[in-house]
Amino acid sequence: GAGVSQSPSNKVTEKGKDVELRCDPISGHTALYWYRQSLGQGLEFLIYFQGNSAPDKSGLPSDRFSAERTGGSVSTLTIQRTQQEDSAVYLCASKRRTSADTQYFGPGTRLTVL
Amino acid sequence: RKEVEQDPGPFNVPEGATVAFNCTYSNSASQSFFWYRQDCRKEPKLLMSVYSSGNEDGRFTAQLNRASQYISLLIRDSKLSDSATYLCVVPFGGYQKVTFGIGTKLQVIP
Repeated sequence: GAGVSQSPSNKVTEKGKDVELRCDPISGHTALYWYRQSLGQGLEFLIYFQGNSAPDKSGLPSDRFSAERTGGSVSTLTIQRTQQEDSAVYLCASKRRTSADTQYFGPGTRLTVL
Repeated sequence: RKEVEQDPGPFNVPEGATVAFNCTYSNSASQSFFWYRQDCRKEPKLLMSVYSSGNEDGRFTAQLNRASQYISLLIRDSKLSDSATYLCVVPFGGYQKVTFGIGTKLQVIP
C-alpha cells in the first residue's frame, strides 16, 4: 500500500518568509509525528498527533512553529518568519495507535532558508 | 546523562567482518526499543525491534541489557549494502513518543 508522503520534497525560501510543509500519513494510522533533522544531527521531536486528542507540542522550538491535522489525516507544519537555523530536513511519520507499533517515515522535506 | 547515547562513529569495517554497536539509555522504565536504519539522504526505516529475550533476523542480532541500560546491534558477515547510519530508538512519555539516538555510521569497505 501507499506509504507516508510529504510535499514539497525540497523548499528553498528567503529568511523571513513563511513556509508550509505537508504530510499525508498511511491510511488508517491514527498517530502522526513531525521531526526535524539537521545536518549531522539526530532526529528532533517536534509535535505529535493522536486521533482527536490535543496534540503534544512539547518539541516545537519556538512560537514560529505550528502544526495542524485536518480530519485526522493530512497534517501541515507551518514555520513563520523563517530563520537560517530552521534549515533542516523535516520528517513526518505515522503509526497505528498501538504503543509498540513501528513509525513509518515519509521521505522528508529538505528546507533551505537563505 | 543524555536520554539516548550512541557512538557516532564512523565504524569502517571490511566486508565479511562482524561489527557491534551499543546504545545506552537513561530511562530505566523504557520497555520496548528499536533499531532503525537510515541511508544517506533517506528517511529512517525500521531494522528490528529489541525484545527482552533478544531478537535475531538473519545476520542481525539485537540484545537488551536492562541492568546496564543498553541495547546492542550485532551485524555478522557485513555486506557493502549494510553501509548506513543505525539509529537507536527508545520510547518515553507513555511509549507514544520516542527518542532517537544520533546514530552510528557504518561504512563497509570492499
